[in-house]
Amino acid sequence: GENVEQHPSTLSVQEGDSAVIKCTYSDSASNYFPWYKQELGKGPQLIIDIRSNVGEKKDQRIAVTLNKTAKHFSLHITETQPEDSAVYFCAASFLSGGYNKLIFGAGTRLAVHP
Amino acid sequence: DSGVTQTPKHLITATGQRVTLRCSPRSGDLSVYWYQQSLDQGLQFLIQYYNGEERAKGNILERFSAQQFPDLHSELNLSSLELGDSALYFCASSFLGGSPQETQYFGPGTRLLVL
Repeated sequence: GENVEQHPSTLSVQEGDSAVIKCTYSDSASNYFPWYKQELGKGPQLIIDIRSNVGEKKDQRIAVTLNKTAKHFSLHITETQPEDSAVYFCAASFLSGGYNKLIFGAGTRLAVHP
Repeated sequence: DSGVTQTPKHLITATGQRVTLRCSPRSGDLSVYWYQQSLDQGLQFLIQYYNGEERAKGNILERFSAQQFPDLHSELNLSSLELGDSALYFCASSFLGGSPQETQYFGPGTRLLVL
């Protein structure tokens, strides 16, 4: 079935350290993998995404890697800052009835301590 | 600010009641998606509309329904409300909604509390 698993559920790091969040997906046909950041009281905001034709993408302190063979992808945040504290969601696209929908992981609550 | 607006921001009601949540997509976007986020849960896809027509369905209960109007705003109707329907309801929009690689932009959400 359609499933995205995300680990860990909570992550606590010191400011300046790196943070890594991992997701696995069930459908080998999935080809779009966005990451969203949700701050308290706000809606999810896209921070980076990756398409299946690339293995890695970077945007300043944020990078995403994709391993299609193993059906997993990861978010890497370097030089973490307190403002990175939020809940992060991964998602994968699934084909349903001829149209694509996003299935989200359960989220990772990241706390960056000064 | 994503450009997606949702009203109301908060809603408190009683079991058995019916409520309507409203969403206006980003200017130019034709697709609207509805998601439910319960406490400590991820985002559960409910339903998608494209240019007024239902396109994809997720785990939406029969007590829930949605529609998209000619001006592209959308409404999610929740009826016979139960305590377990208390959640955050998000609307998202995208330009077309048919491509698997299209970014969805989320609104700020409506927090529903059923007492």
